[in-house]
Amino acid sequence: NAGVMQNPRHLVRRRGQEARLRCSPMKGHSHVYWYRQLPEEGLKFMVYLQKENIIDESGMPKERFSAEFPKEGPSILRIQQVVRGDSAAYFCASSRGQSGNQPQHFGDGTRLSIL
Amino acid sequence: QKEVEQNSGPLSVPEGAIASLNCTYSDRGSQSFFWYRQYSGKSPELIMSIYSNGDKEDGRFTAQLNKASQYVSLLIRDSQPSDSATYHCAVTQSGAGSYQLTFGKGTKLSVIP
Repeated sequence: NAGVMQNPRHLVRRRGQEARLRCSPMKGHSHVYWYRQLPEEGLKFMVYLQKENIIDESGMPKERFSAEFPKEGPSILRIQQVVRGDSAAYFCASSRGQSGNQPQHFGDGTRLSIL
Repeated sequence: QKEVEQNSGPLSVPEGAIASLNCTYSDRGSQSFFWYRQYSGKSPELIMSIYSNGDKEDGRFTAQLNKASQYVSLLIRDSQPSDSATYHCAVTQSGAGSYQLTFGKGTKLSVIP
C-alpha cells in the first residue's frame, strides 16, 4: 500500500493518559499535515510539518499537543494528559511539494476515544 | 476568520439525476480548490481539484469555479447509490509558507435507487 499510513486505527485512552498517533506519508511526499474531525463536523487544520521542521502550527491547541516529523520514521502527533474533548478522528495528509496546487492525500485516520 | 460554507444537507437525489453541491469561501485570495468525498467512518478521498475560473470535467464529475463570486460547485451526473457520501469543499488559504486546507462542514448526499 503506497498510500498514507496511519496507526493505530483506533486508540482508547483514559483521562490523563498520553496518546501518540503515527503517520507515514505517501512515497515521494515530504509534507505532512494533521487535521482533526469532530462528529458531524468538517476537518480542522492542526499542524503542517516537513522533515525536522514545523512549518505552521497555528491550528494546534497551545497546551498538551505537540507534533514532530523526524529525519527518520513517521510523523508523530502527541497529546498529553488527554481529556474527553480530545475524542475525535485525527487524519494525516501528505503532499509532494510546497505548493497550493499539490493535492493532499489522506490516511485512514486514528479514532481516539477518551474514557 | 477565513471560512468555507456548504449546505449541510442532506441532499437527496434520485438515481440517474444530477447532484449539485455548492460552496462559498470568504478569503478572496484563495488559490486552490478541492472536493473530497468521505464515506461514513472512512478517510476523505480527493475527487476533484480546480485552480482557475471555469469548468473542469472528469468523468461524471464537473467542478465549477467563479473567483469573482467566491463560489465553487461540484456537479455529479448520472448519480449512483455508490455516490452517497459526505462531500467536503476545501480551499487553500492565501499567504506564504503554509498550504493548509480550510474545509467546509460537508454536504451529505443520498442517492435514492
